[in-house]
Formats: sequence, structure tokens, C-alpha cells
Amino acid sequence: AQSVSQHNHHVILSEAASLELGCNYSYGGTVNLFWYVQYPGQHLQLLLKYFSGDPLVKGIKGFEAEFIKSKFSFNLRKPSVQWSDTAEYFCAVNPTGGGNKLTFGTGTQLKVEL
Amino acid sequence: DTAVSQTPKYLVTQMGNDKSIKCEQNLGHDTMYWYKQDSKKFLKIMFSYNNKELIINETVPNRFSPKSPDKAHLNLHINSLELGDSAVYFCASSQAPGNTIYFGEGSWLTVV
Repeated sequence: AQSVSQHNHHVILSEAASLELGCNYSYGGTVNLFWYVQYPGQHLQLLLKYFSGDPLVKGIKGFEAEFIKSKFSFNLRKPSVQWSDTAEYFCAVNPTGGGNKLTFGTGTQLKVEL
Repeated sequence: DTAVSQTPKYLVTQMGNDKSIKCEQNLGHDTMYWYKQDSKKFLKIMFSYNNKELIINETVPNRFSPKSPDKAHLNLHINSLELGDSAVYFCASSQAPGNTIYFGEGSWLTVV
């Protein structure tokens, strides 16, 4: 079974700082990769996804993520965070051809201070 | 229009009661899911239906029973509620198994 690790559980940044959230997965085959965001009291929204092709994917709100196959990683980045980016961020993995068992990481709580 | 809608959004109930959460999607998707998010924000799949057929049933107590009357609906019924059932339950859907999953707004269940 696949698993997902998010090493940063809590991140506190000042506005305009750069962000990188780590995500590593364990699975021997090919995967689809996702980042979801959950703003306080709200539901999960898709930030970006990788299925195939260019390993650098761009999502909404200036976020991007890079799939590095050799490192089993899919880190999320943003060059300059805003206060409104305060939220919980979840990395998720779904094996291709393996049904639809989307497996989530434990999440990273990001707090952006003014 | 909300793509995946679930009701109720908030539910407070006593131990031992039976309750249901309803979910509807208007995206024309074939696959629907129930996820549970615990107090530590950990998300875990409970069930998945594809074209009204159960395709994923994780290790969930049989007090939880999903029902899919049609492709657009997936309801969750919970019998004999326990304190540990307190969580946020998210309904979700995707075009097909393995495709991008879109989540509803969640149902906050509190068992007292």
C-alpha cells in the first residue's frame, strides 16, 4: 500500500517569504500526485496535480510543485506567500491503474504572519 | 452552484443515536467517495462507489452503511453513534476511479 509523508507539520512564515512544503511518497509504481488546500473551516480544494509530462506543474494562486521521481517527492512551492495563504496543505497520492484510493499525508499547517 | 453538496453541515447528536449524511454531486461524475477527517486533520477514505457499485470499503465498523441510490448520490448512514465517530465527513466525487477528486464542504459530526 502507498503512504505519504509530509515532514513539516507546522510552518510559520512572514508575508512575502518563500514557501516550500515537503512531500514524499512510497509506492513502487506510477502515481498521480495532488496538493489540496483546506482554509480554516472550509473544504478541501485542489491546488494542483501531476499525472504525466512536465514534472513542474503550476496551480492556482501562484503555487507550483515539482515531481522528482528519483526522490519520490512532490514538493509544493510559492515564491512569495500572502496572509491569505494561511491554511492546511495536504499532499495526496493515487496509484495509476490502482483504483481510486487517494492517500493523504498528515497535512502541514501554514500560518502566514503580517 | 455547489458541485458536491452534503447535508447537514453541522450535526450534534447523542451517543447511541442513528444519523444520516446526504451527498449529491452535479458534476456528472461516475465515482463518489466518503472520507473521514479526524481531530488531528488526518484524512482517510472510508468508501467509494463507481456507478452505484461499492468498490472500496476500508476497515470501517459495520455501523457505517453507505447507500448510492443513483450515480449522483451517496448517502452515509451511521448506527449507534459513538464518541469516537466525532469527525468531519467529506463526500467527494471524480469522473472515474483514479481521476481528480473534488470534495464537498464537509459535515461536522459531534457525538456527545
